[in-house]
Amino acid sequence: DTEVTQTPKHLVMGMTNKKSLKCEQHMGHRAMYWYKQKAKKPPELMFVYSYEKLSINESVPSRFSPECPNSSLLNLHLHALQPEDSALYLCASRMGLAGSNEQFFGPGTRLTVL
Amino acid sequence: AQSVTQLDSQVPVFEEAPVELRCNYSSSVSVYLFWYVQYPNQGLQLLLKYLSGSTLVESINGFEAEFNKSQTSFHLRKPSVHISDTAEYFCAVSDSGGSNYKLTFGKGTLLTVNP
Repeated sequence: DTEVTQTPKHLVMGMTNKKSLKCEQHMGHRAMYWYKQKAKKPPELMFVYSYEKLSINESVPSRFSPECPNSSLLNLHLHALQPEDSALYLCASRMGLAGSNEQFFGPGTRLTVL
Repeated sequence: AQSVTQLDSQVPVFEEAPVELRCNYSSSVSVYLFWYVQYPNQGLQLLLKYLSGSTLVESINGFEAEFNKSQTSFHLRKPSVHISDTAEYFCAVSDSGGSNYKLTFGKGTLLTVNP
């Protein structure tokens, strides 16, 4: 299995809702990433997990809360989002935090905040 | 700190024409270089990468890129494009040292192949 899966594919939520995005990989990768991508822009790094521990938080607002329950799974919990948070959220994984290995990206979750 | 410049935001070409997408980077350390492709409404897929060794790297679908250290460039080329190559292309760099967890992306180049 050489892919990263993300669910749901699309999500529409109100500003008072709580929802979660899910990312899964079964490649034995120990580094996992969340990115946010606005239209016609490159991905922006949000969080990095290494060996299930949060390594990097790129000054992301607390309304985004990441969780890594095990080495295969990465969640992003959403609460009280703003319309400007509407974007494509991409998950990626990598064999380890360092080294020459590339990041493998999932297909993304298209989030719309009303 | 590293940076990546993709000089062309859009490149329109006709089918079967050659294409070059330009990428220049800036870094004070040795780097790894990547080209990712993003088709509409999809995630990013790795197209090719330069880590070390031969400066010319090739992908399975006919793209190639050449690492030029003196010009700090990693331009992407294809001798004959297809309609299906229409996509956004991102050049990215990471440092080859111990803290290379992060990819720095260029702003992307939209390649549009017309019939």
